[in-house]
Amino acid sequence: AQSVTQLDSHVSVSEGTPVLLRCNYSSSYSPSLFWYVQHPNKGLQLLLKYTSAATLVKGINGFEAEFKKSETSFHLTKPSAHMSDAAEYFCVVTARYGNKLVFGAGTILRVKS
Amino acid sequence: GAGVSQSPSNKVTEKGKDVELRCDPISGHTALYWYRQSLGQGLEFLIYFQGNSAPDKSGLPSDRFSAERTGGSVSTLTIQRTQQEDSAVYLCASSLFVQGGGDTQYFGPGTRLTVL
Repeated sequence: AQSVTQLDSHVSVSEGTPVLLRCNYSSSYSPSLFWYVQHPNKGLQLLLKYTSAATLVKGINGFEAEFKKSETSFHLTKPSAHMSDAAEYFCVVTARYGNKLVFGAGTILRVKS
Repeated sequence: GAGVSQSPSNKVTEKGKDVELRCDPISGHTALYWYRQSLGQGLEFLIYFQGNSAPDKSGLPSDRFSAERTGGSVSTLTIQRTQQEDSAVYLCASSLFVQGGGDTQYFGPGTRLTVL
């Protein structure tokens, strides 16, 4: 079965420093992978998605992620954190059959001033 | 354009009562999904509808949960004889279906259900 492991439950960075949120997936086929963000008391918003095209995917708000099949990873990065990036981030994979999403446990990003 | 809307935004009910949660998807989206977000279980799939196909109910946790989608648009998730463990945020998403996955699912703001 498909699964996603987010390696850090909490990440804390200073404003202006790089962000790295780590995600490993397990899948017996070539999955579609996503990163979603959830700000406090807000809905889920798509940051970016990978669907077997370019392995480096650029998303909104300066975020990007690189699909590495050999490492089964899909880490999310941003060169410079902003206070508004503080939120919970979910790495997501599509299930093998059907389009339902399988979510990781989430990483809470804290940005310090 | 309008996004996915859900109602009510909050629902407090007593144990044993039935509740109905509503989702209005983005116009033209053929696929509609329900997920649940709870502290203990994280985000988990419940059910999805695609066009006229039979819904995928594989994520429903018990037979107290059911959902329907009328006219290929609005969906209602019904929980009968609510239990305290049903307390969670129920999220609805819709998409333009892409066979094999990869469609972007747009999420509504959710309904926060509290069972006393």
